[in-house]
Order: sequence, then structure tokens, then C-alpha cells
Amino acid sequence: SAVISQKPSRDICQRGTSLTIQCQVDSQVTMMFWYRQQPGQSLTLIATANQGSEATYESGFVIDKFPISRPNLTFSTLTVSNMSPEDSSIYLCSVAEGQGLGQYFGPGTRLLVL
Amino acid sequence: SQKIEQNSEALNIQEGKTATLTCNYTNYSPAYLQWYRQDPGRGPVFLLLIRENEKEKRKERLKVTFDTTLKQSLFHITASQPADSATYLCALSSGSARQLTFGSGTQLTVLP
Repeated sequence: SAVISQKPSRDICQRGTSLTIQCQVDSQVTMMFWYRQQPGQSLTLIATANQGSEATYESGFVIDKFPISRPNLTFSTLTVSNMSPEDSSIYLCSVAEGQGLGQYFGPGTRLLVL
Repeated sequence: SQKIEQNSEALNIQEGKTATLTCNYTNYSPAYLQWYRQDPGRGPVFLLLIRENEKEKRKERLKVTFDTTLKQSLFHITASQPADSATYLCALSSGSARQLTFGSGTQLTVLP
């Protein structure tokens, strides 16, 4: 199974600023995803990060707020832009190594916006 | 709209007993149903995947059933141990898409 790391592991940010979260995988994977897990809640898919093309966003999430890059098959970034306290959450990246297989998640980035 | 419900927010059982967690869904025709374990402060860990044409799958002390008529999956942990205490999440995906829709999770506590 893929090993996934995320940076930073946690951060405290001021309202109105932006934070870029990095996701690094130890092998090439086709599918990478970004999820949000708000306090006490389950995971909600933000977008699918597509290598070489724009990310595909789920309903309720837009590129201006959550721009995503996927420059190669082992790396992706998610930016949380113009943050507000409502963006305080855990952000997780995951990879799927093939259809019909489970997903492997990074450890998450815990974000607190003041 | 699609809805996934897990039987209860919290479940307490005695060590050695079998824990049974339920996942029900509506307005969805999943091709795959998956179960994950999540410990506090960590990302989910993949446990088992079952396909729509499979009735049951086992892995060590874990067993998953999938009833597409009832739109329900049961997740069993036999001979439970305190180390099994965690939140368990079910997740669904459709045929061509690998994106997952997660249930709200059940927090399992196994009492020594």
C-alpha cells in the first residue's frame, strides 16, 4: 500500500490568509483526492486531483476557494484561500491505486483559523 | 439525495464479544462498499471492500456482508479486543468513479 505524507501536520492561521497543504506519495498513483473532516464529523470529498488537468470539484466546493495542483503522479497541493473560522477542519489527501481497491489516506492537516 | 446512515454514534461491548456495526444507504446504487477504521488524530485506514455482487467477505477477525436488496452492510468484529476501539466508517462508491461517500461513523469501545 502507498505511504502518504502531508505537510504541515497542523497550523493556526489568521482570518483572510491562505494556507497551502502538501501531499506526497511514495509511489505513482493515478487518483488522488482531497477530503475535509470538520470537528466531530465524517469525511466530505472536496475534489479529485487530476494529473495534468484541472481538479474536479464536488458540489459546494469551488476552485477559487480551494485551488489544487497536481504537477505529477506523486504530489498534490490544496490551498485553502481567504480563510475564515468555518474553514477550521482536518484536511486529508488520499490515493486510490486501482478501481475496486481501497483508498489510502494521509495523516491529515489540522487547521485552526482564528 | 444520497444518504448513508450508520446504526449508532457509539457502541460499547465487552471484550471477547462480537461487535456488529450497521451501514444503511438510500438513493444510491453502489458498486463497492468499504469499511475504514479511524483513530483519534489520524487518517482513516482501509479495512475491507465488498463488491455489489458479493454477499460476504472475511479478513481475519473481520466479516462484512452486503445486501443490495436491503441496502445494508453489516460489519462484524469477532473476539473483540480493547485495541479494536476506534471509529468505524462505511463508504460507498459507484461503478466508474472512485470517489467515496462516507457515513458518519460509529465509535466502538471494547471494554476490558
